[in-house]
Amino acid sequence: DIQMTQSPSSLSASVGDRVTITCRASQTISNYLHWYQQKPGKAPTLLISVVSHLQSGVPSRFTGSASGTEYTLTISSLQPEDFATYYCQQSYSIPRTFGQGTRVEI
Amino acid sequence: QITLKESGPTLVKPTQTLTLTCTFSGFSLSTSGVGVGWIRQPPGKALEWLALIYWDDDKPTSPSLKNRLTISRGTSNNQVVLTMTNMDPVDTATYYCALRGNTDAYDIWGPGTRVTVSS
Repeated sequence: DIQMTQSPSSLSASVGDRVTITCRASQTISNYLHWYQQKPGKAPTLLISVVSHLQSGVPSRFTGSASGTEYTLTISSLQPEDFATYYCQQSYSIPRTFGQGTRVEI
Repeated sequence: QITLKESGPTLVKPTQTLTLTCTFSGFSLSTSGVGVGWIRQPPGKALEWLALIYWDDDKPTSPSLKNRLTISRGTSNNQVVLTMTNMDPVDTATYYCALRGNTDAYDIWGPGTRVTVSS
């Protein structure tokens, strides 16, 4: 199985901060990497697919990038509605695997 | 508008078999490229991928649960069924079904259904 290691597992930030979350794959996943946001008690929602493709309706303050097997989600200016848990997921191979999540809190 | 919704028992006993149904609308599982997946999340823990059924009836399943999981089309054209045998308290989780999109991400998710395994 491909392991997806997210860091940090949690972070505290303030409104307006720039936030970076990293996801490292245990082997190549050829950019089949997606990011989800999950708020408490709710289902995850897709933010970004294949590294950097922003989903319709997702604010442009969210960006994704890649360097080798390391993938990054950046929130340029944190807004109150961005406080949530973020997961990366690879779809390169079976089983699909998720990172352990990064909780973004105040 | 695409929607998915999970349904099934909220409580099962250890060793019992769990059957969950995903009822969807706004797309067809007969359309090339379409897939519906199941993902679960134990309380306070991360997401875990379980299985996926494609339009062509390919059905990859988590190897760690392969002997216990079956994914299939339901009796209606707009349903996908997940069956998990020999349930254990560690299987307590919220179970989600989701639409696999063109980029192989899960574009749309159902609200989830909470399943507790307890005697």
